[in-house]
Amino acid sequence: QVQLVQSEAEVKRPGASAKVSCKASGYSFSSSGISWVRQAPGLGLEWVGWISVSEGRTNYGQNFQGRVTITTDTSTNTAYMELRSLRPDDTAVYYCARDWGYVWSDPWGQGTLVTVSS
Amino acid sequence: QTVVTQEPSLTVSPGGTVTLTCASSTGAVTSGSYPNWFQQKPGQTPRTMIYRTDNKHSWTPTRFSGSLLGGKAALTLSGAQPEDEAEYYCLLYYSNAWFFGGGTKLTVL
Repeated sequence: QVQLVQSEAEVKRPGASAKVSCKASGYSFSSSGISWVRQAPGLGLEWVGWISVSEGRTNYGQNFQGRVTITTDTSTNTAYMELRSLRPDDTAVYYCARDWGYVWSDPWGQGTLVTVSS
Repeated sequence: QTVVTQEPSLTVSPGGTVTLTCASSTGAVTSGSYPNWFQQKPGQTPRTMIYRTDNKHSWTPTRFSGSLLGGKAALTLSGAQPEDEAEYYCLLYYSNAWFFGGGTKLTVL
């Protein structure tokens, strides 16, 4: 069955970087796309960015331009989202989800809590 | 930057029908914005309910349907069940970017 398994929670200092992983299984990872979404505590969903696994082509949300990099490793079927220059308001649960052909699909990753605190 | 607007909250009676809408600051929502709809219950991961305006996934209950209505994307729930109480988010695509609405808290009461 399709699974997206994310890395464990992280605690970071302001100004540091966080790199969250999303390991895919149960489908053709190379023929797909992965989007990253975050949700701050008690708030709504915010799109971070997307990658086409086969092409390596990326799109990023305007709020994250210059601070985020999304990559994949097709040898391990894993997607990564690195967010730099972290601020306390980057504290959120970060999710990965399949997104291909403008179709979002279940299941999402279980979410990774990134806490930014001094 | 595109702003996507949803009703903050709606209430529906069990067995009743309710329509949630999703508007864009850029103008009328069309199929070219590929509306997707998600359901999220407290403490859970979002679930994808509708894709590309009006298509259901295999796990989407038949009582949910998507459409375009009056220049907005719409999610209609016909025959609401207590388990449908949740936050619902729409998602629209513009210029190589996705934009979430702020969410609608749906109460079944």
